[in-house]
Amino acid sequence: GQQLNQSPQSMFIQEGEDVSMNCTSSSIFNTWLWYKQEPGEGPVLLIALYKAGELTSNGRLTAQFGITRKDSFLNISASIPSDVGIYFCAPGGAQKLVFGQGTRLTINP
Amino acid sequence: GAVVSEHPSWVICKSGTSVKIECRSLDFQATTMFWYRQFPKQSLMLMATSNEGSKATYEQGVEKDKFLINHASLTLSTLTVTSAHPEDSSFYICSASRLTYEQYFGPGTRLTVT
Repeated sequence: GQQLNQSPQSMFIQEGEDVSMNCTSSSIFNTWLWYKQEPGEGPVLLIALYKAGELTSNGRLTAQFGITRKDSFLNISASIPSDVGIYFCAPGGAQKLVFGQGTRLTINP
Repeated sequence: GAVVSEHPSWVICKSGTSVKIECRSLDFQATTMFWYRQFPKQSLMLMATSNEGSKATYEQGVEKDKFLINHASLTLSTLTVTSAHPEDSSFYICSASRLTYEQYFGPGTRLTVT
């Protein structure tokens, strides 16, 4: 069956540090989306990637769709307290998304 | 744009009763709506995919007679949890999309069954 691995599971960093997380899959996907979820809320779309090799930025966030279409990474530069939350990769295929296990980001001020 | 609402935001019900959750896309017409459930400290698990005017497609292991989905219009889908039991207590989240993979999520509904 299809396997999707997101790492790291959690990160504890100092404010101002850069963050990097990634997802790898055993299957090829048509798209990779990245979401952020805060406690008690639904996920919010951060970045959508549609082409293999595509590198896209959204403010301090940068994400890339791997050339093999089996992986993606998300970087956050110069982290701030409001970056706290759980980040999910969500590759898409067959008109639906598969969610990674999430990366829980904690920031020490 | 792309705002999705859910109602209620939280609900407590007694075991054996049914609960209906509404999901609305407020500023766009959604070709497809999705229902997920999320247990504490876990990821989102897709329950079913719903297209307006047609029967929902349920994921493997999700009981379609227990989780009734109605997608009456391009802006409204409902999930009814029938004969709820304590193990159905969870965070239920809907999302809506319009012809792309990008899904826009509602704020979720926390269901507690006592």
